[in-house]
Amino acid sequence: NAGVTQTPKFRILKIGQSMTLQCTQDMNHNYMYWYRQDPGMGLKLIYYSVGAGITDKGEVPNGYNVSRSTTEDFPLRLELAAPSQTSVYFCASSSQRGAGETQYFGPGTRLLVL
Amino acid sequence: AQSVTQLDSQVPVFEEAPVELRCNYSSSVSVYLFWYVQYPNQGLQLLLKYLSGSTLVKGINGFEAEFNKSQTSFHLRKPSVHISDTAEYFCAVSPKGAGTALIFGKGTTLSVSS
Repeated sequence: NAGVTQTPKFRILKIGQSMTLQCTQDMNHNYMYWYRQDPGMGLKLIYYSVGAGITDKGEVPNGYNVSRSTTEDFPLRLELAAPSQTSVYFCASSSQRGAGETQYFGPGTRLLVL
Repeated sequence: AQSVTQLDSQVPVFEEAPVELRCNYSSSVSVYLFWYVQYPNQGLQLLLKYLSGSTLVKGINGFEAEFNKSQTSFHLRKPSVHISDTAEYFCAVSPKGAGTALIFGKGTTLSVSS
């Protein structure tokens, strides 16, 4: 049981490049989330999904896109990378039973935009 | 809207000393309360959570937290810390009946030295 896995672990991008951060969970969770963590700022929600085919914006969605074609996968797309997107990105998942459920986090992707 | 304030950004302590990490929250609705821990270069994992019932919650690794509704606080305590408790600790809230998104505080870095 791998839980939540993320790839890549680390990536350097040039300004204007695009990339997809991959996230997969094997716990059959309906809810999945993307957060970014900036130093001294805690985690901010970028996008979330309550099931395959359903996504919604979080607190800081600008510059990102998501899709959810399967229960297991929730990729995050950066179309035109900007230095402000330098951050650590965490994917998480939780069961469908609603608020109060534990979120399980992946190990994170560290992204540097130069 | 909800917000979470962690009152100390850094807490240095000696091994075997007691520690308290402070968390206050603001919300116009009832919330669930969480503490997550992040060890160096890892994702977040749940320490404990308060959903209802007894206001004293026990978690993993000897940590406990007390929910105080009148003071809107959820402070984390451990009577005797170990070097291995060195990590970043995040307090978070999730509003009841409003999905499962977590609102995080900025984190407290606990540094335990011998």
